Amino acid sequence: GAVVSQHPSWVICKSGTSVKIECRSLDFQATTMFWYRQFPKQSLMLMATSNEGSKATYEQGVEKDKFLINHASLTLSTLTVTSAHPEDSSFYICSASRGEVRNQPQHFGDGTRLSIL
Amino acid sequence: KQEVTQIPAALSVPEGENLVLNCSFTDSAIYNLQWFRQDPGKGLTSLLLIQSSQREQTSGRLNASLDKSSGRSTLYIAASQPGDSATYLCAVQYNFNKFYFGSGTKLNVKP
Repeated sequence: GAVVSQHPSWVICKSGTSVKIECRSLDFQATTMFWYRQFPKQSLMLMATSNEGSKATYEQGVEKDKFLINHASLTLSTLTVTSAHPEDSSFYICSASRGEVRNQPQHFGDGTRLSIL
Repeated sequence: KQEVTQIPAALSVPEGENLVLNCSFTDSAIYNLQWFRQDPGKGLTSLLLIQSSQREQTSGRLNASLDKSSGRSTLYIAASQPGDSATYLCAVQYNFNKFYFGSGTKLNVKP
């Protein structure tokens, strides 16, 4: 069964709205979670590393004020797309590993399809 | 600059065929390499993880090999089935939080 749960799976909203996406590890604690973005027919691009109890680490070119990440507990990380615009429409996916990131496979959520009108 | 390339981009085979998907990476200083399956509109399902010290991993009809020195990995699927139709992605981890994904191979197995 799924080990990482992502919610919601689909969001359609108006331009200017802020959208929060949740990523939960279901039966393990994850001190680190990862957020990715995937455009149609393209591969995944790492956006940021979410660290429990500390600030997220953002990849070059990703606006930290635009994509707010909060990792308040060992099983939950949230990504908030602030004042979303049509160009933010994409497929957002999170991942986590059970143990040390280096030695354990990444488990992915089912993704959130965000459509901004 | 680390790059991950997957060939072919798309593959269509009749049911029952054995097939090989290829993944190459430019920087051989990897932590591990992971193969995933992605169904349309869905997240990724982990298939196999190969540590940098390993040469191959097997799970059922799947076998993944790793040749760090040449910067290559292959995913071998035996006796393909229509249910194997999906996009297959390889991802290379270079350090704690650096994952690079290939663009995927879209596989179609015809009944």
